[in-house]
Amino acid sequence: EAGVVQSPRYKIIEKKQPVAFWCNPISGHNTLYWYRQNLGQGPELLIRYENEEAVDDSQLPKDRFSAERLKGVDSTLKIQPAELGDSAVYLCASSSFQTYEQYFGPGTRLTVT
Amino acid sequence: AQTVTQSQPEMSVQEAETVTLSCTYDTSESDYYLFWYKQPPSRQMILVIRQEAYKQQNATENRFSVNFQKAAKSFSLKISDSQLGDAAMYFCAYQGKGSGNTGKLIFGQGTTLQVKP
Repeated sequence: EAGVVQSPRYKIIEKKQPVAFWCNPISGHNTLYWYRQNLGQGPELLIRYENEEAVDDSQLPKDRFSAERLKGVDSTLKIQPAELGDSAVYLCASSSFQTYEQYFGPGTRLTVT
Repeated sequence: AQTVTQSQPEMSVQEAETVTLSCTYDTSESDYYLFWYKQPPSRQMILVIRQEAYKQQNATENRFSVNFQKAAKSFSLKISDSQLGDAAMYFCAYQGKGSGNTGKLIFGQGTTLQVKP
């Protein structure tokens, strides 16, 4: 069974530029999560989807961040414009309704210069 | 709000020895899940072990076991027969089960484990 796939693995951009991250969850997993992990800290939830509906986006900075999960499968997280403080690892995770365990992708390391 | 605290930023262990990583949490809920995740330098967050709060028996997965003390809100991870591949950052995480929970994992700050040959 393929795991959670994320791309790109690394991204370096200048501040004020846009950036997008892509996630493909484990097949059959209805729930998808985006987390942000700052250096030396644990991940923090940005947004959670059940199928195509965002059920918790309370921690998503909506002035510059947006996300979508069309057709309830793949998801894209976008930042526009990026700021220096957005440098972090962005992790995607998925789980099924039947189990509570979240499985993570390898993450995207974003560096904003 | 729920919080998770890992008070050991770094730990080291000799290969083949046993090490225990500490975790405490705070919650007003009576039923929840607790996890330990391992994150090697590759950044892939790997689920090590899970515990459901209503189960009194401590979870075990091969060389990994937990000591779950619900009243004390403590959830420590014991790694037996440590191997070089165990070197990583370990995160303790909490997930509520109540109707108001959204499946969000709340992580501790992490403990970096070094395994010495």
